[in-house]
Amino acid sequence: EVQLVESGGGLVQPGGSLRLSCVSSGFTFDDYAMHWVRQAPGTGLEWVSSISWSSGTVRYADSVKGRFTVSRDNAKSSLYLQMSSLRAEDTGLYYCAKAIRPIAASGLDHWGQGTLVSVSS
Amino acid sequence: QSALTQPASVSGSPGQSITLSCTGTSNDVAGYEYVSWYQQHPGKAPKLMIYDVSNRPSGVSNRFSGSKSGNTASLTISGLQAEDGADYYCSSYTTSGTVFGTGTKVTVL
Repeated sequence: EVQLVESGGGLVQPGGSLRLSCVSSGFTFDDYAMHWVRQAPGTGLEWVSSISWSSGTVRYADSVKGRFTVSRDNAKSSLYLQMSSLRAEDTGLYYCAKAIRPIAASGLDHWGQGTLVSVSS
Repeated sequence: QSALTQPASVSGSPGQSITLSCTGTSNDVAGYEYVSWYQQHPGKAPKLMIYDVSNRPSGVSNRFSGSKSGNTASLTISGLQAEDGADYYCSSYTTSGTVFGTGTKVTVL
């Protein structure tokens, strides 16, 4: 059974930093691209970032470019999102999601339950 | 990276068919065969319903079908059932990453 478990969320002040983690199991992690998707309270889904199976291709939404860094450790079947210079508008539930193929251009067939990030003073 | 445009709400009676639209541009929907659709019930993680415009993952009912014409993708739900009431999001690969739609709330009357 595929499982994705996010952690690292919490309350942080504007301008602060957080590192999100996503530990996976039940599939061969380094065969697939991975994504981060967030959802602010009561709103829709917003794509945040993606990383290919080899970390060779990474992409970011314009809203986080230059502030967030995605990475993965295939040996640990883990995905990370380093977030800095956090803003109130970064508040939301952050999902880790598995792509259906090694590159990011694909649907996301498994999702974690999310980790909540709240940016407030 | 502007969000794809979806109608805010669509409703239908049990047994009917409804179609949800998703409008983008030449940089996303029209430019790639990588449109996906997701179903999200309140408090739950999204579920992949369609990928690569018209492909269904195993386990997804064949009442769900996808298509695309130009810069507009569509999701059709046939034989509408009570459990189909949820939020639906489209997404597309783009020249710079991935983009989601604004979301459509489906109400089963």
